[in-house]
Amino acid sequence: GQQLNQSPQSMFIQEGEDVSMNCTSSSIFNTWLWYKQDPGEGPVLLIALYKAGELTSNGRLTAQFGITRKDSFLNISASIPSDVGIYFCAGRWSGNTPLVFGKGTRLSVIA
Amino acid sequence: GAVVSQHPSRVICKSGTSVKIECRSLDFQATTMFWYRQFPKKSLMLMATSNEGSKATYEQGVEKDKFLINHASLTLSTLTVTSAHPEDSSFYICSARDSFRVDRGEKLFFGSGTQLSVL
Repeated sequence: GQQLNQSPQSMFIQEGEDVSMNCTSSSIFNTWLWYKQDPGEGPVLLIALYKAGELTSNGRLTAQFGITRKDSFLNISASIPSDVGIYFCAGRWSGNTPLVFGKGTRLSVIA
Repeated sequence: GAVVSQHPSRVICKSGTSVKIECRSLDFQATTMFWYRQFPKKSLMLMATSNEGSKATYEQGVEKDKFLINHASLTLSTLTVTSAHPEDSSFYICSARDSFRVDRGEKLFFGSGTQLSVL
């Protein structure tokens, strides 16, 4: 089956630092999505990517759909305490298949 | 973004009882909704795909008779955990896709989750 590797598993950073996390897939994906989950809440969609090479920003967040269609990264610039949470990548290789989720990156921001 | 409402947010029940969780898409219609289960510090595990007007599709290893899914309308899906036991305690999350808008059809929107604790 499809496998999605997300790294790093966890990060501890100082407030103001930039953050980068990525996901790689064993299969080609047509869609990449990035979510953030706060404790006790459902994931919230941050960025959606639909085309290889696509680079999309949402405020301090930037994500890219890899050229090979097997990877994606998410960058957070100038981190702030409210960035704390778990970030999940998710991908889909066709419109009718379920999303596959990465295992998440747990971000901690030290003020 | 689209809003998915999930209730209850937390439920504590006795072993052997059944618990129903509701998932509603508030500002869009969804022919398909998804139910996930999440263990502490783990990723989301897809349990089943709920299809409006037809039977749900269950992932391998998920008991159909244990986790009853009903998707009676384009805005409501329910998950009933029947004869719940302590091992069913978990965080359950529903999600939905806007079936009728091309610009967000690929995006999956999640409810806020239900923390089930079975005593």
